[in-house]
Amino acid sequence: EAQVTQNPRYLITVTGKKLTVTCSQNMNHEYMSWYRQDPGLGLRQIYYSMNVEVTDKGDVPEGYKVSRKEKRNFPLILESPSPNQTSLYFCASRSGGAAIRYTFGSGTRLTVV
Amino acid sequence: SQQGEEDPQALSIQEGENATMNCSYKTSINNLQWYRQNSGRGLVHLILIRSNEREKHSGRLRVTLDTSKKSSSLLITASRAADTASYFCATSLTGANSKLTFGKGITLSVRP
Repeated sequence: EAQVTQNPRYLITVTGKKLTVTCSQNMNHEYMSWYRQDPGLGLRQIYYSMNVEVTDKGDVPEGYKVSRKEKRNFPLILESPSPNQTSLYFCASRSGGAAIRYTFGSGTRLTVV
Repeated sequence: SQQGEEDPQALSIQEGENATMNCSYKTSINNLQWYRQNSGRGLVHLILIRSNEREKHSGRLRVTLDTSKKSSSLLITASRAADTASYFCATSLTGANSKLTFGKGITLSVRP
């Protein structure tokens, strides 16, 4: 089944403790992206990647890092999480070029205390 | 920056009725898409309309696009309780690296 898989689904952590949220897709998509969703703010893009080793900032990149060493994986790294990064995170992917329909993961609900 | 803005923010209808949701955007776009999100879950792509199209259908969904008014509408006909969800419009600009920019969403409740 074609899908985007995120792990973990739920995570509670403490301020300052580094964490990684993994994202993997099995559709050979070039383009991958991370969004966060907050009440009243909708979905905002954190980072995106057009292909392996090509990443760029989205609208709210502060406090996040990403890497794209393999085509299928696009982990989101929080080096020093803070409470304002408590949010629902989504990874999404699509094929390149004119195909712009996204496939989303099921989400990761992160709480930073 | 938010590109799309949906209207209304919340909509409650009776099963069997039609639901109309609107989206306005600010700049020229390449295409506009509608997504559905069930509570706390991932977004599911519903329908895409390109800037050179005016209307598109998919099952009980009908989407229109008016580029002169920078607006789109999503119509769900003969609604069902299972249509209860949040609906988002998302716009994409031209270019291979174009991202999807989402509105804040519309919460649709369909009463059985």
